[in-house]
Parts: sequence; C-alpha cells; structure tokens
Amino acid sequence: KAGVTQTPRYLIKTRGQQVTLSCSPISGHRSVSWYQQTPGQGLQFLFEYFSETQRNKGNFPGRFSGRQFSNSRSEMNVSTLELGDSALYLCASSFGQGMNGYTFGSGTRLTVV
Amino acid sequence: AQSVTQPDIHITVSEGASLELRCNYSYGATPYLFWYVQSPGQGLQLLLKYFSGDTLVQGIKGFEAEFKRSQSSFNLRKPSVHWSDAAEYFCAVAPKAAGNKLTFGGGTRVLVKP
Repeated sequence: KAGVTQTPRYLIKTRGQQVTLSCSPISGHRSVSWYQQTPGQGLQFLFEYFSETQRNKGNFPGRFSGRQFSNSRSEMNVSTLELGDSALYLCASSFGQGMNGYTFGSGTRLTVV
Repeated sequence: AQSVTQPDIHITVSEGASLELRCNYSYGATPYLFWYVQSPGQGLQLLLKYFSGDTLVQGIKGFEAEFKRSQSSFNLRKPSVHWSDAAEYFCAVAPKAAGNKLTFGGGTRVLVKP
C-alpha cells in the first residue's frame, strides 16, 4: 500500500511569506503528526491530529498551525516566515496509539531566504 | 519532562564489525521505545519498536535492541555492519497515554569504513 506522501518535496520562500505543506497518510491511519528537523535543534514535535482534532501540540509559536480533513489528510501552515523556519518538515501517520509504529514521509525541505 | 539521550554523535565502524548505539531515556513510566534510521535527504524508517514483554527486540535489516528498565536504556545492535548501514540513527520514545508524540534523541551518525 502507498506510504505517507508529502508535497511538495522542496520549497523556497521569502521572509514574511506564508507556506502550506501537505501530508497524505497511509490509508486507514487516522493520526497525523508533524515534526521539524533542523541541524541545530534536531527533530522536534509540532502537533498531532486525530480524527480532525488537534490532540497534542509542541512548543512552537502560533505562526505554526495545522489542520486535518475528514479523509485524514493534513496540512500545516507557517505564516510570516523567518529564516530560522528553514528545515525539513516531516509528517508521520499512525493507525492508533502508535503501538504499530509511526510511518514517516520523505519530508518537505523548506528554505526561507 | 521526558528526554532521550544518545551519547555518541558519530561512530565509525569497519564493514563486518559489530555496532552498538546507545540510548538512554528519562520518563515517568516506561514509554513505547523506537529506533529509526534516516538516510541523507530522506524521511525516517522504523527499524524496531518495544512496547512490553521480551526485552530483546528484533527489527529489520538485522538490527536488534535490548530494553533495560533498571538502566532506562534501549541500545541498538547489529552483529555485522554493511556499507549500506551508513546513515543517521534516532532513538525515540512516546507516552503510552492518549495521543501520539515522539520525543527524539539527537541522533548518532554512523560511518562505515571499507
């Protein structure tokens, strides 16, 4: 079956702009989580959605937001981009509580110039 | 707050030699434990996971990990490393309570010498 699909793979944006990233989970997976990966901070949890509800949130400013649709697809949005937002953004999906593991997509590489 | 420590930032091993990557966690109760591998420019691939039961867990690509409650450790091992094992390895924990949130260690980059 198809894995976790993230689009686009690469993005270049200018400071102050906003960006929307998309994640399509594995069919049947209702939980979608987002992570930011940077060389300095490593992998950090952004938020998790389950059945269209945000269930967990990490320590990121309000400029980072997300949502989940009824088909479990998820989007995350970053407004007023800063240079420090340049990162690999990873999406992971899970069937339930994670005891089956979390499957990650290949990520979206965002560069802010 | 929970934390995950991978003490070794880089490890260099010869092809065919054994590999052990260390992971220690700090958590109120035994969480779910995972090891992931990441190749350059790629996402994370699950190697293995521990939830309960047998403390020695077998994973993909010939990897295994041992959970030691007394040491709050979950070390990853492979008896004989192949050049294709060169990658970055991440240990992660997740709470058993409701919700899915992985906390990752800083990663260990493995270099394989021919």
